[in-house]
Amino acid sequence: AQSVTQLGSHVSVSEGALVLLRCNYSSSVPPYLFWYVQYPNQGLQLLLKYTSAATLVKGINGFEAEFKKSETSFHLTKPSAHMSDAAEYFCAVSTSGTYKYIFGTGTRLKVLA
Amino acid sequence: EAGVVQSPRYKIIEKKQPVAFWCNPISGHNTLYWYRQNLGQGPELLIRYENEEAVDDSQLPKDRFSAERLKGVDSTLKIQPAELGDSAVYLCASSLGIAGSYNEQFFGPGTRLTVL
Repeated sequence: AQSVTQLGSHVSVSEGALVLLRCNYSSSVPPYLFWYVQYPNQGLQLLLKYTSAATLVKGINGFEAEFKKSETSFHLTKPSAHMSDAAEYFCAVSTSGTYKYIFGTGTRLKVLA
Repeated sequence: EAGVVQSPRYKIIEKKQPVAFWCNPISGHNTLYWYRQNLGQGPELLIRYENEEAVDDSQLPKDRFSAERLKGVDSTLKIQPAELGDSAVYLCASSLGIAGSYNEQFFGPGTRLTVL
């Protein structure tokens, strides 16, 4: 069975500062990993995905994430936060041959002016 | 390309009333998902369809929830009767449904249900 843990339900950063949102996963088989963003009153939008190719994955809006098998982590980073990055971010895990995504509980990012 | 369409966007009902949500997936996507997202939580799968067949409904509370996907395109999720604990956002998603792939899921905007 797979699971996802997102450390920190709320994260605040200053505009221009580094964004780091943490995600650890558990999977008995090689995982697929995803980061989604959800703006208020909207659905989930895919930021980036790891599908067993390059371990450093670049996504939209300047975000990237690194798959670290030894640490079972897939943390999301952005070098410089922008006010428009304020949203809720969800990490999800899936595996080949299944269609089920297991989502974490989400991290709400606040960007301070 | 149009995304996943859901309606209504918001619904307020009194407990014990019925409610229905509608979803139209991305054209060509044969896999459709209904999720429930409680406040402060990630989405949780309720049911998955492959074309018109419900292939995973293990998390659907069958005493009050029902779903259908006639003709394998759009889908309806119904709750009857609604309870206070059903207040949540109901998300619909779709994917191409390719065996062995990661099957990227595309989400609609959701329906926010409030049960009073």
